[in-house]
Amino acid sequence: DAKTTQPNSMESNEEEPVHLPCNHSTISGTDYIHWYRQLPSQGPEYVIHGLTSNVNNRMASLAIAEDRKSSTLILHRATLRDAAVYYCILRDVGQGAQKLVFGQGTRLTINP
Amino acid sequence: NAGVTQTPKFRVLKTGQSMTLLCAQDMNHEYMYWYRQDPGMGLRLIHYSVGEGTTAKGEVPDGYNVSRLKKQNFLLGLESAAPSQTSVYFCASRIAGGPSNEQFFGPGTRLTVL
Repeated sequence: DAKTTQPNSMESNEEEPVHLPCNHSTISGTDYIHWYRQLPSQGPEYVIHGLTSNVNNRMASLAIAEDRKSSTLILHRATLRDAAVYYCILRDVGQGAQKLVFGQGTRLTINP
Repeated sequence: NAGVTQTPKFRVLKTGQSMTLLCAQDMNHEYMYWYRQDPGMGLRLIHYSVGEGTTAKGEVPDGYNVSRLKKQNFLLGLESAAPSQTSVYFCASRIAGGPSNEQFFGPGTRLTVL
């Protein structure tokens, strides 16, 4: 599995945008970029995913670099509820069981 | 829909005892997974199943066994618990198909082995 690199922690203020970076320099052409987050004392939850183009959904936006070696998860207006550990994960389209390989993620703190 | 549920929520075992963790999903998902999460770490895959009656090893399978007799249930067994198995255990499920489909996670089981 191709690896991802994320900062251990980040801090932001409520109602401000947050940009969470992820480096994946060894990404292959068949790897999808997935983001999950884990709120305190809960199981992970899906946030967003993409392959080549930027993606938007109700939770966040995903900006993917043209060479696909990095991506950024964007929370447009952070709330206290967005405080969580955010995981950037690569998933190969050819991998039958579609297993997720979690790194340590980025712990996001939101200040009131 | 209840989604993915896990039983029990908490458990304390003594070294050498056995127990079974139950995961149930009501979304008719083909794939199911068991993960463990140690303090300050990401999740690690223990075992997984791509369908009823099939199981496979993940990243850290030693000391665990699993069974998938019914599509909606995935059981994780510890035959002889050890302190190193103290962890939070998460179950997940997803529909079959390509990498776009998300995994749905349960709330976790916090296990302490003394």
